[in-house]
Amino acid sequence: QQQVKQSPQSLIVQKGGISIINCAYENTAFDYFPWYQQFPGKGPALLIAIRPDVSEKKEGRFTISFNKSAKQFSLHIMDSQPGDSATYFCADISNFGNEKLTFGTGTRLTIIP
Amino acid sequence: GAGVSQSPSNKVTEKGKDVELRCDPISGHTALYWYRQSLGQGLEFLIYFQGNSAPDKSGLPSDRFSAERTGGSVSTLTIQRTQQEDSAVYLCASSYSGTGAGEQYFGPGTRLTVT
Repeated sequence: QQQVKQSPQSLIVQKGGISIINCAYENTAFDYFPWYQQFPGKGPALLIAIRPDVSEKKEGRFTISFNKSAKQFSLHIMDSQPGDSATYFCADISNFGNEKLTFGTGTRLTIIP
Repeated sequence: GAGVSQSPSNKVTEKGKDVELRCDPISGHTALYWYRQSLGQGLEFLIYFQGNSAPDKSGLPSDRFSAERTGGSVSTLTIQRTQQEDSAVYLCASSYSGTGAGEQYFGPGTRLTVT
């Protein structure tokens, strides 16, 4: 069973701080690693994704760092804001033939004032 | 434009009853996925439709679960003889994609409660 291991399970960060969430994968089919953000009562929404021809991708306050040799990737949220409080999922596409997402277990992020 | 829609948003059913959950994907998206989100299991893949190809049913947890997609658009997930462990949020996603990891757009989900 393909797995994506995500940590931490929950995270509390002060407003303005840096939130860091880590994921490790076993094997990948497409070398495509998205992060999804989910607010209560809503479906997950794509936040940022990386194709590892680069080791880092930045979009505004959100950065993905990728370490191919270690099979790890991480999400950094700079200047974290209360509106960032949500559950974050990393994902991997592990199978050729379809693009089903294998999700990490999720990180519940809470930004406190 | 309109996103992925799902109905009903909430469904409460008695153990042993059948339920149908509906997904309307984004127009023009060829790929459609069903996932299940539960407290103990996180987000798990159930089934995948791509165009007119045979669906990938590898994630369906038992033969009580089935899904169809009519006309390459609307999809229905059917759970027969529901059990309490079927209680979860059922999420549908669609993407404009064949291969290459197109972005998947999720609907708001249907929260199923089996009593």
